[in-house]
Amino acid sequence: NAGVMQNPRHLVRRRGQEARLRCSPMKGHSHVYWYRQLPEEGLKFMVYLQKENIIDESGMPKERFSAEFPKEGPSILRIQQVVRGDSAAYFCASSPAGTWDSPLHFGNGTRLTVT
Amino acid sequence: LAKTTQPISMDSYEGQEVNITCSHNNIATNDYITWYQQFPSQGPRFIIQGYKTKVTNEVASLFIPADRKSSTLSLPRVSLSDTAVYYCLVGDRGSGNTGKLIFGQGTTLQVKP
Repeated sequence: NAGVMQNPRHLVRRRGQEARLRCSPMKGHSHVYWYRQLPEEGLKFMVYLQKENIIDESGMPKERFSAEFPKEGPSILRIQQVVRGDSAAYFCASSPAGTWDSPLHFGNGTRLTVT
Repeated sequence: LAKTTQPISMDSYEGQEVNITCSHNNIATNDYITWYQQFPSQGPRFIIQGYKTKVTNEVASLFIPADRKSSTLSLPRVSLSDTAVYYCLVGDRGSGNTGKLIFGQGTTLQVKP
């Protein structure tokens, strides 16, 4: 009964490179959320996806960031041309339904360090 | 989504009961109150959710007064392993809501031996 799996756990990238973060939701969950947590700060919502659809991307920067949740395979958060300010912990969460009576199950995050 | 206010930090000792209060003066009729716990280097974990009066599970109790403008998370007999950040969130449970959670700063609970 595996939980939300995120990989890699730690990722180091140089400025200008691309970062790809993967999230496999819990079995039976078709709703995926991505959050970012900067050091000493709370979690900030980025994007909410269902299979093959982006439902809410109001928290995602307009440039360099993209997310997908294909029909098969994990959800991917992609950051192009990373900058030092992108260094943060990125958490993925999943739920069986996108409503408040369906608590989110979070993974343990990917810690991105941009050098 | 209603804004919440909670203490930045709290200290306690092992074996004590800890009560963390959250203010949500602008809570809407359809909003539910949910608490999450986050340990260092881990993702948040759902603790408890309620609408009014009292909710209890194996981990905690949630007390909500009649006006629902605040709520109190109660942790019985804390241990060192309860040291974590606790987040209070409110949101609409109705249809059409995305289930998106808006996190505040949370309350950092430090349990001492």
